[in-house]
Amino acid sequence: DGGITQSPKYLFRKEGQNVTLSCEQNLNHDAMYWYRQDPGQGLRLIYYSQIVNDFQKGDIAEGYSVSREKKESFPLTVTSAQKNPTAFYLCASSMVTEAFFGQGTRLTVV
Amino acid sequence: AQSVTQLGSHVSVSEGALVLLRCNYSSSVPPYLFWYVQYPNQGLQLLLKYTSAATLVKGINGFEAEFKKSETSFHLTKPSAHMSDAAEYFCAVRHMNSGGYQKVTFGTGTKLQVIP
Repeated sequence: DGGITQSPKYLFRKEGQNVTLSCEQNLNHDAMYWYRQDPGQGLRLIYYSQIVNDFQKGDIAEGYSVSREKKESFPLTVTSAQKNPTAFYLCASSMVTEAFFGQGTRLTVV
Repeated sequence: AQSVTQLGSHVSVSEGALVLLRCNYSSSVPPYLFWYVQYPNQGLQLLLKYTSAATLVKGINGFEAEFKKSETSFHLTKPSAHMSDAAEYFCAVRHMNSGGYQKVTFGTGTKLQVIP
């Protein structure tokens, strides 16, 4: 079945550590997105990519990094520079109109 | 900047009553508009979309929305609420930024509670 796979579902990070969230899609979509979700704030765009080897900062890119070496993959690294990383992270992809979402990764700093 | 505004972060309805979730958008060009639903600890699922065809859009699970350009609104409705409709609903707009990149911007969400 086609879809978007995010892993892991739950992730715990110690302060000062970098962690990488995985996002893979087999929908053959060109565009991919990372969003952060906090209670009462909706979804805020972190990074997005329209094609391989190209990506753009979203509204809250500070403390995050991404790569797009393959069409299918768009991993997100949460660096130690992100001061408040505890949140629910959602990856999405799209072709022409709507975006399709993965099931999310819940990151907690311990 | 393109944006969407959802009025009411929480809405409560009785089972069997009308559901009305409000969304207003700002866009200088005809937009693509969407409604998504999210259940706890899950991703977002598309309910319906407006892509400049019919102004009344029907979606899954009995939901529909009407695009009203004069009011810049895209409100979501369902004639009769079911307990399984309890979830969080997001309105979203797809637009192109000044750099020619497609972006999807979301509202802050409305949590729907259905009272038995």
